[in-house]
Amino acid sequence: TQLLEQSPQFLSIQEGENLTVYCNSSSVFSSLQWYRQEPGEGPVLLVTVVTGGEVKKLKRLTFQFGDARKDSSLHITAAQPGDTGLYLCAGEKTNDYKLSFGAGTTVTVRA
Amino acid sequence: ETGVTQTPRHLVMGMTNKKSLKCEQHLGHNAMYWYKQSAKKPLELMFVYNFKEQTENNSVPSRFSPECPNSSHLFLHLHTLQPEDSALYLCASSQDPNGLAGSYEQYFGPGTRLTVT
Repeated sequence: TQLLEQSPQFLSIQEGENLTVYCNSSSVFSSLQWYRQEPGEGPVLLVTVVTGGEVKKLKRLTFQFGDARKDSSLHITAAQPGDTGLYLCAGEKTNDYKLSFGAGTTVTVRA
Repeated sequence: ETGVTQTPRHLVMGMTNKKSLKCEQHLGHNAMYWYKQSAKKPLELMFVYNFKEQTENNSVPSRFSPECPNSSHLFLHLHTLQPEDSALYLCASSQDPNGLAGSYEQYFGPGTRLTVT
């Protein structure tokens, strides 16, 4: 059983459209991170959210941590082809000393 | 440039070969990790080293043997692998995994694409 469930698994949209990726769990996390991975490369950290209800913005990307710290979402406004990649969420559990990763959402933005 | 380098980037090996993967981090971090990434599966944590001491071995078969001579270098020694071990092997580092929220932010290398024939 996977600790973090990401949905959808695949997402293909046209340039300029908006999209939302979800990361859900029945467990509580002390923090949650989002990464983006491009083909042939390792994941790159985008953001860390720590406080329940927290919202962070990174240009056209908006990250939200659920009030109960069990879920998170990533919203991209006016997607561009450069946003194409595998988006991974990863959670830290208190005193677990490691990250648990979701299976990822593959996002394709068509020009 | 993420500050974490891995060599080689690609490796093809037979089941009877012995090879090693190398990882080096230039970020001054205290912890280093090996992950396995297979198609359509979540990242699998293999090993964790914190201040050169192994703190996690996630039930990895003995044909994978890690080595961490110092906080900047990490190796994964491979011996008599199976075809199902073919995957992308990622190395990562984090600054100071002290249990505080956000202290496990991972900085990944580009990975070694391993094919076992």
